[in-house]
Amino acid sequence: IVMTQSPLSLSVTPGEPASISCRSSQSILDSDDGNIYLDWYLQRPGQPPQLLIYTLSHRASGVPDRFSGSGSGTEFILKISRVGAEDVGVYYCMQRTEFPTTFGQGTKLEIK
Amino acid sequence: QVELVQSGGGVVQPGGSLRLSCAASGFNFKSFGMHWVRQAPGKGLEWVSFIVHNGNTTYSADSVRGRFSISRDNSKNTVFLHMHNLKVEDTAVYYCARLALTFGGQVVVPSWGQGAQVSVSS
Repeated sequence: IVMTQSPLSLSVTPGEPASISCRSSQSILDSDDGNIYLDWYLQRPGQPPQLLIYTLSHRASGVPDRFSGSGSGTEFILKISRVGAEDVGVYYCMQRTEFPTTFGQGTKLEIK
Repeated sequence: QVELVQSGGGVVQPGGSLRLSCAASGFNFKSFGMHWVRQAPGKGLEWVSFIVHNGNTTYSADSVRGRFSISRDNSKNTVFLHMHNLKVEDTAVYYCARLALTFGGQVVVPSWGQGAQVSVSS
């Protein structure tokens, strides 16, 4: 399954919202349990990917509620309600419903 | 709490071999399949290999099949990536990861190791 993110880069004013789109080439709805195993990660320079959102909309432990995930079918969105300086990095979506797991190309977020 | 601690990696010449290790704690390791994922410099994430919970079945990406193998020692809660005939294009940070969907009817939170640098250069 091919995962396509957009935009590939965005520049956001602190305190403003941001959203990143991720599209899958086919449905990633798990027919067995009805879940969508779509995760979002933030990778800061020199760091491993940090889990933000798992299984479409579950925030990982310690992740601020400024981050939210949603979507259905083949279209998914990560929203940041108020961007802060600490949110700079590359965001990846990843599907693990279908084997093998596949990743979006990444979206680089920078602060204006 | 779930923890994956990686070791191994380093610098090797083309054609050489390396072994990466990933020691797990905080969960019932022998019940979960495990993955390796890599990231070349300045590039995105690429799935590399997977091993089922009991080690009986493994899968590898086309790019590494026949050169890399994955194994595990459930008595030591450790998964390995054995890399042979390394190529320059294998240069990357390698991550082990638990990416199971559910366990016991509950959604499983993905977990990743801290990464290990593998550099292939003459």
